[in-house]
Amino acid sequence: EVVLEQSPGTLSLSPGERATLSCRATQSVGSSYLAWYQQKPGQPPRLLIYAASTRATGIPDRFSGSGSGTGFTLTITTLEPEDFAVYYCQHYGSSPFTFGQGTRLEI
Amino acid sequence: EVTLLESGGGLVQPGGSLRLSCAASGFTFSDYAMTWVRQAPGKGLEWVSSISGSAGSTYYADSVKGRFTISRDNSKNTLFLQMNSLRDEDTAIYYCAKAGWGVYSSHYWGQGILVTVSS
Repeated sequence: EVVLEQSPGTLSLSPGERATLSCRATQSVGSSYLAWYQQKPGQPPRLLIYAASTRATGIPDRFSGSGSGTGFTLTITTLEPEDFAVYYCQHYGSSPFTFGQGTRLEI
Repeated sequence: EVTLLESGGGLVQPGGSLRLSCAASGFTFSDYAMTWVRQAPGKGLEWVSSISGSAGSTYYADSVKGRFTISRDNSKNTLFLQMNSLRDEDTAIYYCAKAGWGVYSSHYWGQGILVTVSS
């Protein structure tokens, strides 16, 4: 089973700054089957990135994903007030399709 | 527009059963895998189960294997999750989600339905 470890647990930044979120897997995630989701309070998650680096429909280009194998990164280049939320990574190459524990991005 | 609407949640006693439904619209339902994800109060996301478009393949988290059954009715564009032998720790918001083309990433999500297991 692939276990995903996200870091940091909480990231405190200000609007306009750059955010870098990490997701590390205990085994290689085949063919970069790695996704990133954003979740705001009281809302369902929203897909940001899939296949490690492909932005989902309607996602602003300030969000980017990178990485392969066991190390992945979500970068938000210039934080907007609406970007403060919880972010999860998930692998979906082989079952179980586990999530990381999440990174809370706070102002 | 993709729409996913969960129903069937509520309060159930430990050891009881519940069947969740997810009505889908806005896409060719049988072409896409579907997934259930849950979130316990104040906790992170937990993948529960996925099913291929044809229903030929199903996948389960160890925490629900043998107790939950995922299924789908492609003629009615509906996804199901039959939950038996429910435990306190199954209390959560349950989301259904539509996968991407040929992959199991969750591209669209329903609003979720609350399941509470309590005596």
